[in-house]
Amino acid sequence: QKEVEQDPGPLSVPEGAIVSLNCTYSNSAFQYFMWYRQYSRKGPELLMYTYSSGNKEDGRFTAQVDKSSKYISLFIRDSQPSDSATYLCAMLHGSGNTGKLIFGQGTTLQVKP
Amino acid sequence: EAGVAQSPRYKIIEKRQSVAFWCNPISGHATLYWYQQILGQGPKLLIQFQNNGVVDDSQLPKDRFSAERLKGVDSTLKIQPAKLEDSAVYLCASSRPGGANVLTFGAGSRLTVL
Repeated sequence: QKEVEQDPGPLSVPEGAIVSLNCTYSNSAFQYFMWYRQYSRKGPELLMYTYSSGNKEDGRFTAQVDKSSKYISLFIRDSQPSDSATYLCAMLHGSGNTGKLIFGQGTTLQVKP
Repeated sequence: EAGVAQSPRYKIIEKRQSVAFWCNPISGHATLYWYQQILGQGPKLLIQFQNNGVVDDSQLPKDRFSAERLKGVDSTLKIQPAKLEDSAVYLCASSRPGGANVLTFGAGSRLTVL
């Protein structure tokens, strides 16, 4: 079993739809939970991160962590064609300068005009 | 601030040949990472440096891969000899001290092994 599981999709939605992206994990020691966005032929860029359980909102994006279920989500409201990308969840193993990120497989999202 | 610089962007080689990738991290970022991203998969950590010391290289295939960061700034990742399964994008990333959850990635070096 992988430490981080993510449905690769692809996920195709019409412009303006609400998008839900999800990951599950097996290591209960993870404390930081990140979402990275990766456009085609580019490196991943950090969208947002949360520490422990709860919700965090940033504009049209909301990250949600449920540690009891080992489940994290990213919601995108009013999706735009520019949101078309691969979304990678990542979790921090360890801490401080020696921590390392464990990535999910990534979900490819296409938002159609 | 300038981003993470990587070169070359693309490289095509035959199997058993060698290749080297270069990375220049963001100024002041003490931690540098090399990730391998195979098509359709998430990035997998190959090696992590703290300044010029290795923090984690547990997933680096040491029989063919090597990496160095001699002066605690630039880094080079080498593959010799390359195998078909090494075809991937090699991503370099860096982070501030204590900021292991906030990585800034370069655009990557895409390797095709024929």
